[in-house]
Amino acid sequence: DADVTQTPRNRITKTGKRIMLECSQTKGHDRMYWYRQDPGLGLRLIYYSFDVKDINKGEISDGYSVSRQAQAKFSLSLESAIPNQTALYFCATSDGQLPGELFFGEGSRLTVL
Amino acid sequence: GENVEQHPSTLSVQEGDSAVIKCTYSDSASNYFPWYKQELGKRPQLIIDIRSNVGEKKDQRIAVTLNKTAKHFSLHITETQPEDSAVYFCAETDSWGKLQFGAGTQVVVTP
Repeated sequence: DADVTQTPRNRITKTGKRIMLECSQTKGHDRMYWYRQDPGLGLRLIYYSFDVKDINKGEISDGYSVSRQAQAKFSLSLESAIPNQTALYFCATSDGQLPGELFFGEGSRLTVL
Repeated sequence: GENVEQHPSTLSVQEGDSAVIKCTYSDSASNYFPWYKQELGKRPQLIIDIRSNVGEKKDQRIAVTLNKTAKHFSLHITETQPEDSAVYFCAETDSWGKLQFGAGTQVVVTP
């Protein structure tokens, strides 16, 4: 089945370390997103990309960067992790229809000590 | 998301009863309102959506209503079952087509 795959699924790291979360998809979608989920705060958009040459900041992009290596791959980096970046991170995709359904990956749980 | 308010944050219902979750939004240009369900340890998945040219949409035991004048929309679950226990998120599109999510409602269906 076409899907959205995230790696790693779980990661524990220390303050100041660089972390990369990777996302790949086999849905053939152009649009990819990174969301962060915290209890009581819902899903907040970090970065999004509407095609390979397009990168846009979301509502909480500070402390994060992204790379769209190909249509199917979208990576999220934390250059210097801090404890308040401890959260569940979701990658998502959608096709070109506006508006359209989001298809989420299984999530990457990051703990920063 | 600050543009979408969702209530209540938690909802406990007896199996067989109905559950209602309400969301309000501020962007009058929004025209698409999806609802996502996230079971424990799983990814969010779309369960129903409604577009602004429709006032109500129903799919088996779930329904969504939209009041564009008042800028609010609601999810209704009838005859609740244990498998309805999950976190539910409402969302609305901004002018760029991106989704703004509510904070979520934890629904617990007790036998």
